[in-house]
Amino acid sequence: NAGVTQTPKFQVLKTGQSMTLQCAQDMNHEYMSWYRQDPGMGLRLIHYSVGAGITDQGEVPNGYNVSRSTTEDFPLRLLSAAPSQTSVYFCASSELGETQYFGPGTRLLVL
Amino acid sequence: AQSVTQPDIHITVSEGASLELRCNYSYGATPYLFWYVQSPGQCLQLLLKYFSGDTLVQGIKGFEAEFKRSQSSFNLRKPSVHWSDAAEYFCAVAERSGANNLFFGTGTRLTVIP
Repeated sequence: NAGVTQTPKFQVLKTGQSMTLQCAQDMNHEYMSWYRQDPGMGLRLIHYSVGAGITDQGEVPNGYNVSRSTTEDFPLRLLSAAPSQTSVYFCASSELGETQYFGPGTRLLVL
Repeated sequence: AQSVTQPDIHITVSEGASLELRCNYSYGATPYLFWYVQSPGQCLQLLLKYFSGDTLVQGIKGFEAEFKRSQSSFNLRKPSVHWSDAAEYFCAVAERSGANNLFFGTGTRLTVIP
């Protein structure tokens, strides 16, 4: 099992550009989520999903979209990147009510 | 609203010394409780968790944590710190029902000096 994988590892964007951060898991987990990590802020939940076709907002959803068309994949879309979205992004997955497993992260720089 | 407080931003200890990292939470009901560790450039790794039962929880790498309901605390301890324990430590909570959403504290950075 690869666990939770994220691509790309690092990305530089210009303000206003769009991009998709990819997240995949091969553990057949129902729950998947996206967090952003900023210095002094810990990790904050952006969006989450409890199954294919079901998504919901977390603490800091503005500027981000998600979809969950399959159990395995949970992409995070930035439609118009802003410097405030410079961060490290972590995807996680789990069985409902169980421990979350985190991916290696994507470091995003928005200029 | 729920919150997780880690009052120590940065702690420095000598190798071989004992360690205690503090975590307090504010929640409507006793949540699930977690400690994660993040080594430089690495993803988060679960150290231990408390769901129910014995309030003293053993984790990996020799860590333990004690849940104290009266103090709304879940402090992390290790009797003898190793240089490889230098990392950032995050306390997190999750509701007992519904989705698995984690709420994290702001983290405590641990430096270990020889």
